[in-house]
Amino acid sequence: NAGVTQTPKFQVLKTGQSMTLQCAQDMNHEYMSWYRQDPGMGLRLIHYSVGAGITDQGEVPNGYNVSRSTTEDFPLRLLSAAPSQTSVYFCASSYSGGFLDTIYFGEGSWLTVV
Amino acid sequence: AQSVSQHNHHVILSEAASLELGCNYSYGGTVNLFWYVQYPGQHLQLLLKYFSGDPLVKGIKGFEAEFIKSKFSFNLRKPSVQWSDTAEYFCAVIPSGGGADGLTFGKGTHLIIQP
Repeated sequence: NAGVTQTPKFQVLKTGQSMTLQCAQDMNHEYMSWYRQDPGMGLRLIHYSVGAGITDQGEVPNGYNVSRSTTEDFPLRLLSAAPSQTSVYFCASSYSGGFLDTIYFGEGSWLTVV
Repeated sequence: AQSVSQHNHHVILSEAASLELGCNYSYGGTVNLFWYVQYPGQHLQLLLKYFSGDPLVKGIKGFEAEFIKSKFSFNLRKPSVQWSDTAEYFCAVIPSGGGADGLTFGKGTHLIIQP
């Protein structure tokens, strides 16, 4: 049971480049989300999905795009990377979004934009 | 929308000292509450959670937390800390009736345990 798998673990981008952070879960969870973690800011929700084909914005969605074509996968796209997007990104999944069950987190993706 | 406040951003303790990390939330209805821990270089792991019932919740590694509804608080405690408890601790809240916009996290408390 792999849980929540994120790739890549580390990435350096140049300003203006685009990239996709991959997230996959094997627990058949409907709810998936992306957070970014910055020093002194805790975790902030970027985008979330309550099921295949359904996505919505969180607290800090600007500069990011998501799609959910399958239950298992929830990729996060950076359209044109900016230094302000340097952060640690966590993907999470659960059955119900946390109000009935535990949310499971991936191991994180460290992104640096230069 | 809900919000979470963690009072201490940095805490330094000696081994065997007792620990209490404060967490207060703001929300007009019932909530589910969580404490997560993040060890250096690792992902978040669930320490404990409160959904309903006994307001004193016991978690892993000897941690416990008490939900005091009248104070909107969910403080984390441990009677005797160890060096291995050095980590970042996050309190989080989600409305009990469904929080499609996910957990709301506090800004975290960085705990350092000195040998």
